[in-house]
Amino acid sequence: AQKITQTQPGMFVQEKEAVTLDCTYDTSDPSYGLFWYKQPSSGEMIFLIYQGSYDQQNATEGRYSLNFQKARKSANLVISASQLGDSAMYFCAMRELEADRDDKIIFGKGTRLHILP
Amino acid sequence: KAGVTQTPRYLIKTRGQQVTLSCSPISGHRSVSWYQQTPGQGLQFLFEYFSETQRNKGNFPGRFSGRQFSNSRSEMNVSTLELGDSALYLCASSPRDRGGYTFGSGTRLTVV
Repeated sequence: AQKITQTQPGMFVQEKEAVTLDCTYDTSDPSYGLFWYKQPSSGEMIFLIYQGSYDQQNATEGRYSLNFQKARKSANLVISASQLGDSAMYFCAMRELEADRDDKIIFGKGTRLHILP
Repeated sequence: KAGVTQTPRYLIKTRGQQVTLSCSPISGHRSVSWYQQTPGQGLQFLFEYFSETQRNKGNFPGRFSGRQFSNSRSEMNVSTLELGDSALYLCASSPRDRGGYTFGSGTRLTVV
């Protein structure tokens, strides 16, 4: 069964430092996608970055990068040079991509990131 | 292009009432999913619609239902509201390729 585990319920980081948010996953499907979403206090879920299971390189989007370690089933989000506006809840999510699979994404419990000035 | 639009943004209902929430996906997206988010349970999958058909359903009672129209717009309905139904309801649309889901801003439902 699909499962996403985020072991850090909360983190405090000094502004301008790099941040790593942990995510491990479990699936028996060889084809899957991994996502990170940011949810500020307003509630909207903001898509940050995507990594496909067959992608050869780690995904990067601006200050966001995904440290994908397939053998360890790990998909950590790295935020470089953190900013005050990065304070939010962050969710790791997974979607199985086999054509005949139920199409849904499952989420981890989230990590609440606090950036300190 | 326009994002996923959910209406209304906020809603207050009393126990026993029913409620209908609306979601307009991104143009061209045919898959629409609904999620319930509460502080205790986190994000839980409700159901997914594709081409007007419910393809997948989460573990929620029958009071929760939904539908999708030919233009891909979707509605979800909760009947006989309970206090525990108070939550943020998020809708997401997807083109059903390898890409991600785009979420709306959500409807915050409060049941009193």
